Amino acid sequence: EVQLVESGGGVVRPGGSLRLSCGTSGFKFDDYGMAWVRQVPGKGLEWVSHINWNGGSTTYADSVKGRFTISRDSARNSLYLQMSSLRAEDTALYHCARDGVGGGSYYSDHWGQGTLVTVSS
Amino acid sequence: DIQMTQSPSSLSASVGDRVTITCRASQGISNSLAWYQQKPGKVPKLLIYAASTLQSGVPSRFSGSGSGTDFTLTISSLQPEDVATYYCQKYNSVPRTFGRGTKVEIK
Repeated sequence: EVQLVESGGGVVRPGGSLRLSCGTSGFKFDDYGMAWVRQVPGKGLEWVSHINWNGGSTTYADSVKGRFTISRDSARNSLYLQMSSLRAEDTALYHCARDGVGGGSYYSDHWGQGTLVTVSS
Repeated sequence: DIQMTQSPSSLSASVGDRVTITCRASQGISNSLAWYQQKPGKVPKLLIYAASTLQSGVPSRFSGSGSGTDFTLTISSLQPEDVATYYCQKYNSVPRTFGRGTKVEIK
């Protein structure tokens, strides 16, 4: 069974930093691209970032470019999101998600429950 | 960036009704479109990818169609368990934008 479990969320002041983690199991981590998607409670989904299967290609939404860094560790079967210069508008539930099967399948076929990030003074 | 316009934003229909949700891309995206269902308090669930391919385990009353700029998600016979918000997402290029969602309720 595919499992994605996020951690690392919390309350942080504007301008602060936070590192989110996503532990995975139930599939061969090295075979899949991964993404972060966020959702303000009660609002819609916002794609944040993506990393390909080997970490050689990363992409970001304009809203986080230059502030967030996505990475992965195949030895730990884990995905990360380093968040810096945080703003109030970054407050959201952050989900990690796995790409679909096969090249070019940049939709998300499995999602974690999410970790809540609150940026507030 | 390509914008994804989803309509309607909400709808109310009776059990057994045929329900149609549309998603329009501001530029052509071939068939690189996915549909998700998010029930209250739950994580999104993939329903359809490549515009019309049903994800394994998804009931056959769900179907998708379209290519280029205009896409449709159809529920052929609405069931009480289909109460949810539905999102489209384009994934041919970055950013992999979601539509704003359609909330489906039972009348």
